Amino acid sequence: EVQLVESGGGLVQPGGSLRLSCAASKFTFSKYAMNWVRQAPGKGLEWVSSISGSGLATYYADSVKGRFTISRDNSKNTVYLQMYSLRVEDTAVYYCAKGPGEIPYYFMDVWGKGTTVTVSS
Amino acid sequence: AIQLTQSPPSLSASVGDTVTITCRASQAISSALAWYQHKPAKAPKLLIYDASSLESGVPSRFSGSGSGTDFTLTISSLQPEDFATYYCQQFTSYLITFGQGTRLDIK
Repeated sequence: EVQLVESGGGLVQPGGSLRLSCAASKFTFSKYAMNWVRQAPGKGLEWVSSISGSGLATYYADSVKGRFTISRDNSKNTVYLQMYSLRVEDTAVYYCAKGPGEIPYYFMDVWGKGTTVTVSS
Repeated sequence: AIQLTQSPPSLSASVGDTVTITCRASQAISSALAWYQHKPAKAPKLLIYDASSLESGVPSRFSGSGSGTDFTLTISSLQPEDFATYYCQQFTSYLITFGQGTRLDIK
């Protein structure tokens, strides 16, 4: 069964940094785009970032552009989200989600269970 | 960015009922729309993609329709496990957006 497992969440102070990881298994990782989506407490789903299967194309929501960087290591079947200059409003559960193909803007057919990021002093 | 407006924000229904959730896009998106089910502390689940295609393994009581700016998700003969929050998502451009969600509660 295709599986995505996020890790790296935690408590960080405003202005701090954190790197999330998402380990994938049971599919040919390099052939699929990957995404990060978050849900702030009491709020809906918000797309954060996407990366193509090759890693050559990346996209960001305006709310995180310039502060977050998405990357992937296809040899490790892992996608990352490096988060800098964190703000209180970045507090959320962060989900990793797989696309149905190589292109990075599409629907998401498999999701992980999420990792929680709390930004607070 | 394209805005998606879902209605209603919440609704109550009984097991066996049929319910319809609407998603309206701020500009035409052809059929570039998906629907998800999300339960607390669980991973979101893809139900419908390309506006009307049923994801493999999803029960046939879920159906989607629409194109352009107006879309609907219909759940027929509600089952206890269907009570959750439902989101639409557009993917016509790289700026992906979700609707604000519709919470479906047991009456």
